[in-house]
Amino acid sequence: EAGVAQSPRYKIIEKRQSVAFWCNPISGHATLYWYQQILGQGPKLLIQFQNNGVVDDSQLPKDRFSAERLKGVDSTLKIQPAKLEDSAVYLCASSHLAGRDYNEQFFGPGTRLTVL
Amino acid sequence: QKEVEQNSGPLSVPEGAIASLNCTYSDRGSQSFFWYRQYSGKSPELIMFIYSNGDKEDGRFTAQLNKASQYVSLLIRDSQPSDSATYLCAVNGGGGSYIPTFGRGTSLIVHP
Repeated sequence: EAGVAQSPRYKIIEKRQSVAFWCNPISGHATLYWYQQILGQGPKLLIQFQNNGVVDDSQLPKDRFSAERLKGVDSTLKIQPAKLEDSAVYLCASSHLAGRDYNEQFFGPGTRLTVL
Repeated sequence: QKEVEQNSGPLSVPEGAIASLNCTYSDRGSQSFFWYRQYSGKSPELIMFIYSNGDKEDGRFTAQLNKASQYVSLLIRDSQPSDSATYLCAVNGGGGSYIPTFGRGTSLIVHP
């Protein structure tokens, strides 16, 4: 079974530029998560989708971040414009048991973003 | 704001010892609890989940849950140098939300 795919793996941009990340979850997984992980901290949930609907985006900085999950499969996360403090690893995860208590999340390899 | 608290460590134990990692959470309605391991530069991977009070054992790992005290722990028996990693505690929100919150993680170092 293929895992969660993410691209690009690394991205370096200057502040005020735009950037987009792509995620392809495990086939059949209904729930998809985007996390921001700053060095030395735990993953912070940015947005959670179930199929193509948003479950939670309370910690997504909506003035600069946007995310979509068309057709309930692939997802993209965009930052426009980027700030220095956006430098982090962006993790995508998916889980199969949508709505069940013990959702095991499978993580992709992450995208390391550096904003100069 | 739901919080999950972990001591950042590092926790240093000798090879063969028991490592004890602790986590507290603020949302009293939380129903399910997870321990993930994250090696440096890698993504988190699930070690165990637990959703009933008491102990759950899987090989060298034991998860313990006490909902009254809002406390969950992970014990690693016979610790190996390969267990050296950051251990993340994650809690799914209550009330049917299933929204996960992660702690900052505890760094574990197992020295030979």
